[in-house]
Parts: sequence; C-alpha cells; structure tokens
Amino acid sequence: QVQLQESGPGLVKPSETLSLTCAVSGYSISSGHYWGWIRQPPGKGLEWIGSIYHSGSTYYNPSLKSRVTISVDTSKNQFSLRLSSVTAADTAVYYCARDNVDTGRVDYWGQGTLVTVSS
Amino acid sequence: QSALTQPASVSGSPGQSITISCTGTSSDVGSYNLVSWYQQHPGKAPKLMIYEVSKRPSGVSNRFSGSKSGNTASLTISGLQAEDEADYYCCSYAGSSTYIFGGGTKLTVL
Repeated sequence: QVQLQESGPGLVKPSETLSLTCAVSGYSISSGHYWGWIRQPPGKGLEWIGSIYHSGSTYYNPSLKSRVTISVDTSKNQFSLRLSSVTAADTAVYYCARDNVDTGRVDYWGQGTLVTVSS
Repeated sequence: QSALTQPASVSGSPGQSITISCTGTSSDVGSYNLVSWYQQHPGKAPKLMIYEVSKRPSGVSNRFSGSKSGNTASLTISGLQAEDEADYYCCSYAGSSTYIFGGGTKLTVL
C-alpha cells in the first residue's frame, strides 16, 4: 500500500520560502509515476500546484509557476516543494500525492499539513 | 485556467439519488474524457471515486457513477446513505500536462 507523509514548518513568514517534503513508503519513486502537490486554503477548494515525474521532469500550475520548485530525491524516496515569496494567500493545507498530469487522476494522498503564512 | 464550476451545495434524503454537475470549457472537460471525482470528509484527505469520466477504482461502491456531455461532467450517487455526506470535487485534464479542480460541492444527506 502506497503511503505518503508530508513534513515541514507549519508557520512561514510573509516574503519567505515555504518548504515541504513528502516521504513515500510502500512504493519506490524510481519505479515510475508522477508525484504532486495540491493545496487547499481553509474552507476552500483544491488547487493543483505542480508535479514531478520520477525522472525529474517537472510540471507546474501556470498561475504559480514563477514561484514553485519541485524536486525529487530517489535515494531517500521523497520529493519536495518550495514556494517562494509567500503571502497570506498561500495559507493552506498542503497535500502530497501520487498523481498523473496526463489524466488528472490522483490515486494516493498524504494526510495533509497546514502551513500558515503570518509574521 | 479557471476552476471548473460546481454547485455550492446539493442535498437529498437517504435512498434517493442526487447528481452533481461540473462545468468546464472546450479546453478541458469538453476536449478530454479525463474527468475524475473526489470525496472529502471533514479534516480528511480527498479520496478518488471516479476517473476517466465513468471508471470506478477498486473498492468504490457502484452507487457512484459518472458521465459527461459536452463541457459538463456529472457525478451521480444513488441509494444515498448518511456516510455519503461530504464535499465532492471534480477534476479535469486541461492540456499541456496540467489539471484543474472544481470549486467543490457540499452534499448534505437530510
């Protein structure tokens, strides 16, 4: 069974960079698949942030592309998100997931982690 | 890219059927048979219920079904049960290796 677990600071100051890591168990990232980040502001809907293929190819939401970097570390079986120049609008629950950018199918999700942007 | 349009809320009584719509454009829903649906209970991660318009993952009840016509996709839940009360999100492939979600629909079981 594929399991994903997000980790990282729960509080980030405005203008700084948000960094999260997703540890994957039950499946080797290097075996394939896309791995993505999706966020959900409190009381609002889901927003796809971006994804990475096991080979390292990246795909980003055009509205966030200028601020997002997703990377993968196959040796640690984990992938990471960096979102720069954050504002209060970036406050959200951030989910890591196994997805597919060519279908929109997200079949495994982490439990999510709340990141608050505040000084 | 704009979020797909869903009704904010729908409701139904136990045993009834309800349908949630998801309206996109000719650039997303209308162009690809790649619509998925997710169920989210409060405080929980979303769960895949339907993919590729009408396919059900293993373990998902056959009370859940999906369809599409033009730029609008639909999720139908038959034989409504109390446990179906949740938020539902549609999602569509939007070209160029991107995908978008709908704004979500809150289902209330009366």
